[in-house]
Amino acid sequence: SAVISQKPSRDICQRGTSLTIQCQVDSQVTMMFWYRQQPGQSLTLIATANQGSEATYESGFVIDKFPISRPNLTFSTLTVSNMSPEDSSIYLCSVEGLAGGNEQFFGPGTRLTVL
Amino acid sequence: QKEVEQDPGPLSVPEGAIVSLNCTYSNSAFQYFMWYRQYSRKGPELLMYTYSSGNKEDGRFTAQVDKSSKYISLFIRDSQPSDSATYLCAMSTGANSKLTFGKGITLSVRP
Repeated sequence: SAVISQKPSRDICQRGTSLTIQCQVDSQVTMMFWYRQQPGQSLTLIATANQGSEATYESGFVIDKFPISRPNLTFSTLTVSNMSPEDSSIYLCSVEGLAGGNEQFFGPGTRLTVL
Repeated sequence: QKEVEQDPGPLSVPEGAIVSLNCTYSNSAFQYFMWYRQYSRKGPELLMYTYSSGNKEDGRFTAQVDKSSKYISLFIRDSQPSDSATYLCAMSTGANSKLTFGKGITLSVRP
């Protein structure tokens, strides 16, 4: 099975700063997604990272706050901009299209704390 | 009404018990149904993936989908302490589509 890695695994940041999270897959995939997991809440999709074009954002999430890049079929980044304590959460990337399948597989997550 | 509702927890059972985890949903367009297991401080791990109604078995795990009732279940037989984790149901309308998750239920299997 493919290996999905995220960097950093955790970080503690000051409010007003930005953090870029990286997601790397060791195989090419068709789809990459970014989710947020807040305590006591459902995993929520932030956006779909489209290769070679702008990401598709879900309602309530905007590009200025969560810019996303996907330069190729194995790599994507999510930036959390101008952070506030409300952005403290686990951020997860997922991939779809491994070996031609439709299943989504998740990375290990990035645990972000904003002070 | 939320799109996906999952039984609240936490749930604690003795080792060897049969565990039943359930989710209901409101969107009749959902076609793909998944169960993920998430250990503390780890990413969700795909356990079961099913399409449309019916049962699917994998070892001690059985996933059941009843689209007419908009109800899915995960059964764990002969539960083990290593099954202690949070279980998330998820569903989507098709390939390349976002997953809609339940809130998850934390299961503890006591030795």
